[in-house]
Amino acid sequence: GAVVSQHPSRVICKSGTSVKIECRSLDFQATTMFWYRQFPKQSLMLMATSNEGSKATYEQGVEKDKFLINHASLTLSTLTVTSAHPEDSSFYICSAGFDGANIQYFGAGTRLSVL
Amino acid sequence: GQQLNQSPQSMFIQEGEDVSMNCTSSSIFNTWLWYKQDPGEGPVLLIALYKAGELTSNGRLTAQFGITRKDSFLNISASIPSDVGIYFCAGQLVGRRDDKIIFGKGTRLHILP
Repeated sequence: GAVVSQHPSRVICKSGTSVKIECRSLDFQATTMFWYRQFPKQSLMLMATSNEGSKATYEQGVEKDKFLINHASLTLSTLTVTSAHPEDSSFYICSAGFDGANIQYFGAGTRLSVL
Repeated sequence: GQQLNQSPQSMFIQEGEDVSMNCTSSSIFNTWLWYKQDPGEGPVLLIALYKAGELTSNGRLTAQFGITRKDSFLNISASIPSDVGIYFCAGQLVGRRDDKIIFGKGTRLHILP
């Protein structure tokens, strides 16, 4: 149980294009989903917290207009990197949790490379 | 911001050796979690701890929630090649209601040939 699917696993795009990453909880309803960014050999950096049906809460320093998050249902959250630039290249990972569990289950991550 | 101090940063061991790593904080946690991340993958939950003093095993892995609620350790017994990876501790601070968890910087485990 507690499977989180993240898609795509890898994306290469040209500078200026937008990229959408999907995160789905397959066998549970995720009241909260989280988006992280991870630089090589570093820990996970929380970008934003999204709750179904409400606006995402972004961490300090994360641009809301750059990283658009939509959490339209209890099983799906999306992260759109708008007008991507090479400095946005990174490993993006989503996680999902459900009420009271204090645990996050992670997707497999998306490697974004912006040329 | 709040940090978890995870140590050691990296370990180089022989196959078959036991491994120990720990996390400490200056604040009290109500949940401690241990994850393992393989290269190019998302973290996978190994053990979750909810009570001070709790000792939990998962196969060759054993983790404990410190009595002071400010620390936790993870032990791996009789290491094997597939244990290679990055181990992260994570926890939720007492009083938080937003389900955020804080991650340590990770312990990289290497097994020497």
